[in-house]
Amino acid sequence: DAKTTQPPSMDCAEGRAANLPCNHSTISGNEYVYWYRQIHSQGPQYIIHGLKNNETNEMASLIITEDRKSSTLILPHATLRDTAVYYCILVGQLTFGSGTQLTVLP
Amino acid sequence: GAGVSQSPSNKVTEKGKDVELRCDPISGHTALYWYRQSLGQGLEFLIYFQGNSAPDKSGLPSDRFSAERTGGSVSTLTIQRTQQEDSAVYLCASSSYYGTSGGGRTYNEQFFGPGTRLTVL
Repeated sequence: DAKTTQPPSMDCAEGRAANLPCNHSTISGNEYVYWYRQIHSQGPQYIIHGLKNNETNEMASLIITEDRKSSTLILPHATLRDTAVYYCILVGQLTFGSGTQLTVLP
Repeated sequence: GAGVSQSPSNKVTEKGKDVELRCDPISGHTALYWYRQSLGQGLEFLIYFQGNSAPDKSGLPSDRFSAERTGGSVSTLTIQRTQQEDSAVYLCASSSYYGTSGGGRTYNEQFFGPGTRLTVL
């Protein structure tokens, strides 16, 4: 059973920040939060992961709430190529669920 | 370096036939995973390998599905007596580690292959 919940879809204007939420209220103390994305007809691609602290890399930022029950993936300047399904999963959870379909609009 | 590769990229078969899908993980990755993705759906976990052993086979949908891994490298997913509902994209991934820590599981990020699109007529 999926341990994370995400909205099924979101839109974002090109050039604006895309903020994708994920709820993981049953997360345990040693579970990392991982984010992947899947562009149409391709295999999923790793984006970022974190445990407690906020994380940033060249692709995105990850904000994890203090109680760790939710997190937000931030794409600071969304482009049309960021249109994809975004999956939030917990380490050890090998089921990806349905994710959030992000559509970046021109 | 080379990523995860899968073959064939597309497979069309007739109902009742057996099929074999192959996955070549990234060299040195000890963990290998198989997933299935039906049209418009999320990824469904099938099985994972740590080395050549498969500790968790709970995701295999029926006894028609089996998988093996040899030499800690190449893996083959076999579907016997294929059914139309087996039509999907089969994805393979590998990671450099998968294990347990503090009572829970842990792994490094997974690198996915391009998938094999299986169509059962």
